[in-house]
Amino acid sequence: DAGVIQSPRHEVTEMGQEVTLRCKPISGHNSLFWYRQTMMRGLELLIYFNNNVPIDDSGMPEDRFSAKMPNASFSTLKIQPSEPRDSAVYFCASSLQDGRGEQFFGPGTRLTVL
Amino acid sequence: AQSVSQHNHHVILSEAASLELGCNYSYGGTVNLFWYVQYPGQHLQLLLKYFSGDPLVKGIKGFEAEFIKSKFSFNLRKPSVQWSDTAEYFCAVNAPGGNNRLAFGKGNQVVVIP
Repeated sequence: DAGVIQSPRHEVTEMGQEVTLRCKPISGHNSLFWYRQTMMRGLELLIYFNNNVPIDDSGMPEDRFSAKMPNASFSTLKIQPSEPRDSAVYFCASSLQDGRGEQFFGPGTRLTVL
Repeated sequence: AQSVSQHNHHVILSEAASLELGCNYSYGGTVNLFWYVQYPGQHLQLLLKYFSGDPLVKGIKGFEAEFIKSKFSFNLRKPSVQWSDTAEYFCAVNAPGGNNRLAFGKGNQVVVIP
């Protein structure tokens, strides 16, 4: 099993540019989570999906952030326009919807907004 | 709402010392419990988990954790740490029926000095 796949692994962009982060969950997993990790705020849940449907997006910082899951094997997190304070490591995680809660994390995307 | 408390955010110890990290949660019902480890520059990886049964759980790399229901605790231990155990450790809690969402503690940054 390839595990959770994220791309790109590193992204450097300039303020105001659009950024798209991608995630492929583990095959068969039907829950997907997007997290952001910074030194100041630690690990934050941004949004999660069950069966491709967004369940809770209350962690999304503001309207500049949006996430989609068009099918069971792909999700995107978009930031438009990006700002320097968005610099962070963004993790995607997936799990079975079995009520146990065990999540498997991807390698993360390190985003730097200049 | 669930909350997870981890104390002593920064821990510094020498190789061969014993390690114990505390984790307390606020949810009163049946829970599933996890410890994740994040090595420097890497993603979160599962260290061990508790769903039911023997409250003393053995994990990878010599770690173990004990679930004490009456104390709402799930403390992590390792009798003798190595330099390679330098990492951040996160406790997480899931309540069955909670859509597989995990509530994470703020983490313990552990530094092992050779």
